[in-house]
Amino acid sequence: GEDVEQSLFLSVREGDSSVINCTYTDSSSTYLYWYKQEPGAGLQLLTYIFSNMDMKQDQRLTVLLNKKDKHLSLRIADTQTGDSAIYFCAESPNYGGSQGNLIFGKGTKLSVKP
Amino acid sequence: ETGVTQTPRHLVMGMTNKKSLKCEQHLGHNAMYWYKQSAKKPLELMFVYSLEERVENNSVPSRFSPECPNSSHLFLHLHTLQPEDSALYLCASSQKGASGKNEQFFGPGTRLTVL
Repeated sequence: GEDVEQSLFLSVREGDSSVINCTYTDSSSTYLYWYKQEPGAGLQLLTYIFSNMDMKQDQRLTVLLNKKDKHLSLRIADTQTGDSAIYFCAESPNYGGSQGNLIFGKGTKLSVKP
Repeated sequence: ETGVTQTPRHLVMGMTNKKSLKCEQHLGHNAMYWYKQSAKKPLELMFVYSLEERVENNSVPSRFSPECPNSSHLFLHLHTLQPEDSALYLCASSQKGASGKNEQFFGPGTRLTVL
């Protein structure tokens, strides 16, 4: 089946690192994505990783992929109050009824305390 | 600004009304999507228009009717809605290709309230 799982909440202090975890089910997914949604806004693509990579770094963001365990994580270094938002993990199956579409998790709400 | 605009941003309607949501993308993409976002549920894909082909989620009720007159514009026509249809409706677009990459760019959404 297709299911993307994330924990619903994460609370960190400003300046700390945040790690948001995700597990997915479809090993055919060539790309995996992280989106950010601020209150009252649509989803903003943060970053993505190609399935043959283990890690991708983009400024304060680090994505780690464990393809064997189907585990994806997003690390935000030096977390700021402006990082408070909901973060969605998404996979893109290459086979089956959802081929080519994105399957999203329920989102992790990140709260950053000053 | 993602290059995807949606109007209206907020809509309140009665159950007997007919209204339409509009989405426009300025990115030259070849696929457009409607999603429904309800509290505490995963984002639900409702419809996809890709290369002039429509794909729909069979669980979407017939009171939602999409229209895609060209690759830049997408509408969602609403009629005889129910209070449980109240949600944030998000439009997205992407450039679908053989690589399998499907970066979707989202609009700000329409917050719909059905009374």
